[in-house]
Amino acid sequence: QSVLAQPPSVSGDPSQKVTISCSGTRSNIGGDTVVNWYQQFPGKAPKLLIYYDDLLASGVSDRFSASKSGTSASLAISGLQAEDEADYYCAAWDDSLNGWVFGGGTKVTVL
Amino acid sequence: EVQLLESGGGLVQPGGSLRLSCEATGFTFRDHVMNWVRQAPGKGLEWVSSIIDSSRLSSPSTYYADSVKGRFTISSDKSKNTLYLQMNSLRVEDTAVYFCAKDHAADYDILSENRFDSWGQGTLVTVSS
Repeated sequence: QSVLAQPPSVSGDPSQKVTISCSGTRSNIGGDTVVNWYQQFPGKAPKLLIYYDDLLASGVSDRFSASKSGTSASLAISGLQAEDEADYYCAAWDDSLNGWVFGGGTKVTVL
Repeated sequence: EVQLLESGGGLVQPGGSLRLSCEATGFTFRDHVMNWVRQAPGKGLEWVSSIIDSSRLSSPSTYYADSVKGRFTISSDKSKNTLYLQMNSLRVEDTAVYFCAKDHAADYDILSENRFDSWGQGTLVTVSS
């Protein structure tokens, strides 16, 4: 059971927009911290996608966007493309655990 | 170019020990928090441990997930630009790919600066009898 809750999967048709939610608590997302998002392709290392809640990492397409409100965060992918099929993870520092916590990951499927 | 190269994974029996290494190149090693993150087969990412070992500190600051506290020890050798993870009393549930990850920031003073901006390819640890 991950500390941050994400839907196991989302799917969409090419060119559509999909959104991935990430739900936490006041000790992590809702606290004095930031949310980062990572993208991972099968058999590969994760890659930083979004940092400081909503900033795009270097080289990341602007089809990706993110936001944070209260104890939740979300990642959106607009203009969905086949190359976006991957697993996506949210992460935040947890003040109670004094460490990083990850969401369980969301698999994005392009139909 | 930042490169992180993990090594030391393998098959070990429950209760056994293993030491992982992560050789870092392409950046000033002592100026960044360094981390271990693992991923069990078919599962999600789990943060394992972090170390702050900058020149400003008299001794390193270390952080551990509850699941490994007391069994794993993170350390670094600045002269070799290498991160380590000593894993003792290994359990079947420690089976995972272990990734070394570099943090953008040097410490946790300003959390907005913290993110894992570079990752190694991982090394597989299998705990089984």
